[in-house]
Amino acid sequence: DGGITQSPKYLFRKEGQNVTLSCEQNLNHDAMYWYRQDPGQGLRLIYYSQIVNDFQKGDIAEGYSVSREKKESFPLTVTSAQKNPTAFYLCASSIRAGGSSYNEQFFGPGTRLTVL
Amino acid sequence: GENVEQHPSTLSVQEGDSAVIKCTYSDSASNYFPWYKQELGKRPQLIIDIRSNVGEKKDQRIAVTLNKTAKHFSLHITETQPEDSAVYFCAARYSGAGSYQLTFGKGTKLSVIP
Repeated sequence: DGGITQSPKYLFRKEGQNVTLSCEQNLNHDAMYWYRQDPGQGLRLIYYSQIVNDFQKGDIAEGYSVSREKKESFPLTVTSAQKNPTAFYLCASSIRAGGSSYNEQFFGPGTRLTVL
Repeated sequence: GENVEQHPSTLSVQEGDSAVIKCTYSDSASNYFPWYKQELGKRPQLIIDIRSNVGEKKDQRIAVTLNKTAKHFSLHITETQPEDSAVYFCAARYSGAGSYQLTFGKGTKLSVIP
């Protein structure tokens, strides 16, 4: 299960505060992704990055921001503009985003964010 | 964008019986269809995938079928065991306009009753 890590496992924040979730991978993968998981909703894509210094919005990007300054790292900031931030956040990576044989996304263990 | 529907949302089977989970997708440009298994409290893990140029793929007790014309694909688990109990997610990858994101179904909670 090693290779992609997220920290912390549990995170509590007060309403109105920005919070940054960490995601690191040592798999030498080009592509990285952030998903939000809510009960009964499946996994919804927040942002993804195909390469360093580049990222694209997913289906639910509003209220979130990301950066990709290093290949290994793809932090997600949940801003105060996110109306319902309490959720389970999963980071994933794949060798690259495109192509046909290398699309397996490997997931991190997740961070459960609770906003009080 | 792509839309993936997954059914049923919950499924209970007796140990040893088969389980089938079905998904439909909306965009004919999608060309890659993975299935992930998520055990309680754990991360999703890929269990099988299929590309659009293949109609069926098997891996021991697990198989996936794809009907491109009807835009649906299914996961089949035979001889189910208690350790198959988990939430299963299907997904479809849209490959238009340089976008390579996966769209996931909402998941099926499979319970295998000993």
